[in-house]
Amino acid sequence: EPEVTQTPSHQVTQMGQEVILRCVPISNHLYFYWYRQILGQKVEFLVSFYNNEISEKSEIFDDQFSVERPDGSNFTLKIRSTKLEDSAMYFCASRPGYGELFFGEGSRLTVL
Amino acid sequence: RKEVEQDPGPFNVPEGATVAFNCTYSNSASQSFFWYRQDCRKEPKLLMSVYSSGNEDGRFTAQLNRASQYISLLIRDSKLSDSATYLCAGGPYNNAGNMLTFGGGTRLMVKP
Repeated sequence: EPEVTQTPSHQVTQMGQEVILRCVPISNHLYFYWYRQILGQKVEFLVSFYNNEISEKSEIFDDQFSVERPDGSNFTLKIRSTKLEDSAMYFCASRPGYGELFFGEGSRLTVL
Repeated sequence: RKEVEQDPGPFNVPEGATVAFNCTYSNSASQSFFWYRQDCRKEPKLLMSVYSSGNEDGRFTAQLNRASQYISLLIRDSKLSDSATYLCAGGPYNNAGNMLTFGGGTRLMVKP
């Protein structure tokens, strides 16, 4: 069964450092997403990506965040200068169209 | 007002009980709805889509009430393995991002 894969599963970084989280969405899907979940809180939308560009982003997704689809398979989330409050689980998801979201297992980011 | 709201619980029920969760949404443009299950520190996994006509999958039944803008999930004959957090999600079809907004989740604990 095809799945969304994410790396790394856990990353620990120092405040102010850049972090890149990687995702390989399901190959025939058209929409790609990043969500995050701070421990004990809700799953929050960050950004959606369609047709090689950002289609929507939330207030959380400020200038410190960027996304890229550098080739036909990878979809990355970059945080330029991490803050303590960026510590969270980051979920990549993809969607074929209007159906369900398929989530990866998540990348846990710990900012010290 | 939160876009998607759920009672956080926890709902503590004995094995074999029937339990129901509701979820309200504020965006009347929302047209696709889903129930996801999330285990501790794991990714959300689709439990079932929610259709206007209602749908059933084994012990699980989902309903959509557009007039009152809520969706429901009924679990019959609860099992210990049903213990998890249940997330509802909804979103419109009419934006290019097709993002889903998640509720904060309802925690279910099934006791022997």
